[in-house]
Amino acid sequence: ETGVTQTPRHLVMGMTNKKSLKCEQHLGHNAMYWYKQSAKKPLELMFVYNFKEQTENNSVPSRFSPECPNSSHLFLHLHTLQPEDSALYLCASSQDLLGGLQPQHFGDGTRLSIL
Amino acid sequence: QKEVEQNSGPLSVPEGAIASLNCTYSDRGSQSFFWYRQYSGKSPELIMSIYSNGDKEDGRFTAQLNKASQYVSLLIRDSQPSDSATYLCAVPLRTYKYIFGTGTRLKVLA
Repeated sequence: ETGVTQTPRHLVMGMTNKKSLKCEQHLGHNAMYWYKQSAKKPLELMFVYNFKEQTENNSVPSRFSPECPNSSHLFLHLHTLQPEDSALYLCASSQDLLGGLQPQHFGDGTRLSIL
Repeated sequence: QKEVEQNSGPLSVPEGAIASLNCTYSDRGSQSFFWYRQYSGKSPELIMSIYSNGDKEDGRFTAQLNKASQYVSLLIRDSQPSDSATYLCAVPLRTYKYIFGTGTRLKVLA
């Protein structure tokens, strides 16, 4: 149990579908992150939120739309995805964004497959 | 040059041996370094952090940092089959923007 819960664990969707990934952290952290992990590639940072405010959008296509209603919850809304978007999507949280000294704690991820 | 580089492996070691995993980074200003372990199909799990030059030990794990040479390593003593996983090196580029290596896959042979 990492303190960061992601649902669903697996998702298969067509390119025209709309779905959402959910992340909830029970660690009392203020910063939350979305990462994409593809085979044989490093983890790619997608979005960063601090105290519900987006502080980073790492040139992510608009077919990915994040939402952070409060410091404990983070969503990733998906629509008209492409096959190359198939990957493991990881949510992480950290106490805050200060100093780069804060370790990030990850959820178990959502394995997304686009048909 | 990649910002964080790791040998993808697999690195195979016999049970009971020392596994040595290496990571080099490009940003001389980096101040903190993290090692994560990721089992297949699971999330990355933080196992070590190091901020100062030298060695830091935690159980069977030792992290070594050499800022002058820009490398950080992870030693696993008395390797066990349960240590078989991918080990990710993470270096914050800015305060929160972690740059991850591709990971080194470790296989401990029973």
